[in-house]
Amino acid sequence: EAQVTQNPRYLITVTGKKLTVTCSQNMNHEYMSWYRQDPGLGLRQIYYSMNVEVTDKGDVPEGYKVSRKEKRNFPLILESPSPNQTSLYFCASSPGQGTNTGELFFGEGSRLTVL
Amino acid sequence: AQKITQTQPGMFVQEKEAVTLDCTYDTSDQSYGLFWYKQPSSGEMIFLIYQGSYDEQNATEGRYSLNFQKARKSANLVISASQLGDSAMYFCAMREGYTNAGKSTFGDGTTLTVKP
Repeated sequence: EAQVTQNPRYLITVTGKKLTVTCSQNMNHEYMSWYRQDPGLGLRQIYYSMNVEVTDKGDVPEGYKVSRKEKRNFPLILESPSPNQTSLYFCASSPGQGTNTGELFFGEGSRLTVL
Repeated sequence: AQKITQTQPGMFVQEKEAVTLDCTYDTSDQSYGLFWYKQPSSGEMIFLIYQGSYDEQNATEGRYSLNFQKARKSANLVISASQLGDSAMYFCAMREGYTNAGKSTFGDGTTLTVKP
């Protein structure tokens, strides 16, 4: 089954404790992206990657890191989480350049709480 | 910079009636894509419809159609014959370039409630 898998789905952590949210897709997609969703603010893009070893900042990259060492994986790293990073996080992927369907395939979301 | 504006935080519609969800956008790019997603209360993001900036015809997908008015920079979603299962949050979004590979921007969303 074609899917984008995020882990963990739910996490409660404390300020300053490094954490990684993993994202993996099995569709051989070139493009992957991370978003955060907060009430009343829609989805805001954190980072995106057009291919392996290519990453770019979205609108809200502060406090986050990403890496794209393999095509299928795009982990989101919070080096020193703070309470304002409490949010619902989505990973998404799409085939990338050369396609024009517009469709992003989303993971199920990861709800992160930072105390 | 790209910007998406959804001016209707909440909308109500009677079952079986049509409803229009508004979306305006701002960009200096000539090539861009516009799309709509549905987010039910369960939280997943469901792709509904896509419109490329160079597409002359309005996109349609089943009961969904996108009313694309390029000069007015609007990309309204029309849902015909509303069903109870259409109750959800709806997001309008834009991404750079004529591919999926650019930066993307989402609106704040519209909560649609379908009344029986």
